[in-house]
Amino acid sequence: GESVGLHLPTLSVQEGDNSIINCAYSNSASDYFIWYKQESGKGPQFIIDIRSNMDKRQGQRVTVLLNKTVKHLSLQIAATQPGDSAVYFCAETRTQGGADGLTFGKGTHLIIQP
Amino acid sequence: EAGVTQSPTHLIKTRGQQVTLRCSPISGHTSVYWYQQALGLGLQFLLWYDEGEERNRGNFPPRFSGRQFPNYSSELNVNALELEDSALYLCASSSTGTNEAFFGQGTRLTVV
Repeated sequence: GESVGLHLPTLSVQEGDNSIINCAYSNSASDYFIWYKQESGKGPQFIIDIRSNMDKRQGQRVTVLLNKTVKHLSLQIAATQPGDSAVYFCAETRTQGGADGLTFGKGTHLIIQP
Repeated sequence: EAGVTQSPTHLIKTRGQQVTLRCSPISGHTSVYWYQQALGLGLQFLLWYDEGEERNRGNFPPRFSGRQFPNYSSELNVNALELEDSALYLCASSSTGTNEAFFGQGTRLTVV
């Protein structure tokens, strides 16, 4: 079946460097893509979303890039900080508001090295 | 403003038993979603409630059910518990038509 997946289970970066977390999706009908951050012992926290008619969207210290040609999504975190340590999930949905439910990838664990 | 709250935080049940999990959405949110986060499987969509009605469900058997009350709080019921039901159950709420779902801290269910 169609699913959303992540390339790497763990990503280790130096504090202050930029982080890039990747995600591949296979459902060409998906219209919205969302990144979530989950810290240990907490529920996922919304970071940023992007609609399929966009290539790029920027937030505070984060940028999401969407390449529909190769069905690839990435999250860039600028000047990574210790507080960025978490598991990052990409998710996709066909409808705004997630009426058909979000399909999540398995997650990438971002580790920040001092 | 209070976030999404879930109760209980932890629960241990025996195989074959039934369990009820509870969720209170953020004030003003009418949509409530339930997800299962089992180890190694990521988050799996379970159910979506909006305005008191079940609007959609994921690929789970009928022994997973729930309801939404007039105050928009929600319950998730799981009957005939199986060992594989051990997971973190997450509730999220959102305003209708937005992608920004806010998650609670979850209920950790262990089936022994």
